[in-house]
Amino acid sequence: EPEVTQTPSHQVTQMGQEVILRCVPISNHLYFYWYRQILGQKVEFLVSFYNNEISEKSEIFDDQFSVERPDGSNFTLKIRSTKLEDSAMYFCASKGQGRFGELFFGEGSRLTVL
Amino acid sequence: AQSVTQLDSQVPVFEEAPVELRCNYSSSVSVYLFWYVQYPNQGLQLLLKYLSGSTLVESINGFEAEFNKSQTSFHLRKPSVHISDTAEYFCAVLNTDKLIFGTGTRLQVFP
Repeated sequence: EPEVTQTPSHQVTQMGQEVILRCVPISNHLYFYWYRQILGQKVEFLVSFYNNEISEKSEIFDDQFSVERPDGSNFTLKIRSTKLEDSAMYFCASKGQGRFGELFFGEGSRLTVL
Repeated sequence: AQSVTQLDSQVPVFEEAPVELRCNYSSSVSVYLFWYVQYPNQGLQLLLKYLSGSTLVESINGFEAEFNKSQTSFHLRKPSVHISDTAEYFCAVLNTDKLIFGTGTRLQVFP
């Protein structure tokens, strides 16, 4: 069964460092998303990506964040200068065609900022 | 913007007992609702969804949810839970092309 894969599963970094979280969406999917979940809190939308550009982003997704689909298979989330409050589980998701298609989520990348 | 509210952060229940996890949505002309489940150390998995048609939707593992427009609710129910149902359950609403999640309800099933 096709699945969304994320790497790394866990990353520990120092405050101020750059972090790149990687995702391989399901191969024929067209819509890509990043969500995050701070420990004990709800899953929050960060950004959606379609047709090689950001289609929507939340207030959380400020200038420190960027996304890229560099080679047609990977979908990356970059945090330029991490802050303590960026510590969270980051989930990648992808969706096929159609507005009501199911979002398939990866298992998440846990980011710990010290 | 559309939103969902999950009033219960935790629901403890004994095995084989019935359970209801509550979800209320902000009223809108058209609303599309989902329940996702998150097992420990895993990602989110779609449990069931309501888009249109029958107000009662079912999942393959015995859960069901009923869309109730007058009460703006989409509660999740199961008549008899198993230990393996222990997980975090998230209600979500489709807002443009993205899902907006509730705060989640942790279902803890005890033997």
